[in-house]
Amino acid sequence: DVKVTQSSRYLVKRTGEKVFLECVQDMDHENMFWYRQDPGLGLRLIYFSYDVKMKEKGDIPEGYSVSREKKERFSLILESASTNQTSMYLCASSSRTGLYSNQPQHFGDGTRLSIL
Amino acid sequence: AQTVTQSQPEMSVQEAETVTLSCTYDTSESDYYLFWYKQPPSRQMILVIRQEAYKQQNATENRFSVNFQKAAKSFSLKISDSQLGDAAMYFCAYRRKKGGSEKLVFGKGTKLTVNP
Repeated sequence: DVKVTQSSRYLVKRTGEKVFLECVQDMDHENMFWYRQDPGLGLRLIYFSYDVKMKEKGDIPEGYSVSREKKERFSLILESASTNQTSMYLCASSSRTGLYSNQPQHFGDGTRLSIL
Repeated sequence: AQTVTQSQPEMSVQEAETVTLSCTYDTSESDYYLFWYKQPPSRQMILVIRQEAYKQQNATENRFSVNFQKAAKSFSLKISDSQLGDAAMYFCAYRRKKGGSEKLVFGKGTKLTVNP
């Protein structure tokens, strides 16, 4: 089975801190994703990466950056944390899909981040 | 841009009964993928079922089946013989096929409660 591991289940940080959320997958997937999940808003894509050192902005990239130095690891960075970034963060990975391929995304357990 | 709408924020069902969760989407494309994901209280999101738009036959996975109405842009999930373990948030998701795009567009979710 695919394993997507997020480094922390719960994290508490202070406003203005630089915060790192780490995600590792063990299935040699090309694609990795970061979402935030808020009640009533569903999942919103922050950033995704389709290869090492490659990244693309999702729907809500403001206030975030990402790093993918190795294929298995995708980091989400909050440069200067703010209270409105308190949320559940989900990491996902998938294998690269061809035009006629239908590979699903596999998700980690999530990190509940609180910014005080 | 594609959008996915889940009009039922919450649903409940009696154990052993059948429940249908609604999902509609908006797209100008003719070929795409649709997914239902389940997120139990433990939070890991898992794939329930997937459908390819060019296939007219509705997908089924054991007690889970979909009613895919392409013209109406509707993709509802039917859960038969509901079990306590079916209690979760359910998310409908869309992925375009053209260009091999990897991004999922999620609805806001439906919280399903299963009553014993």
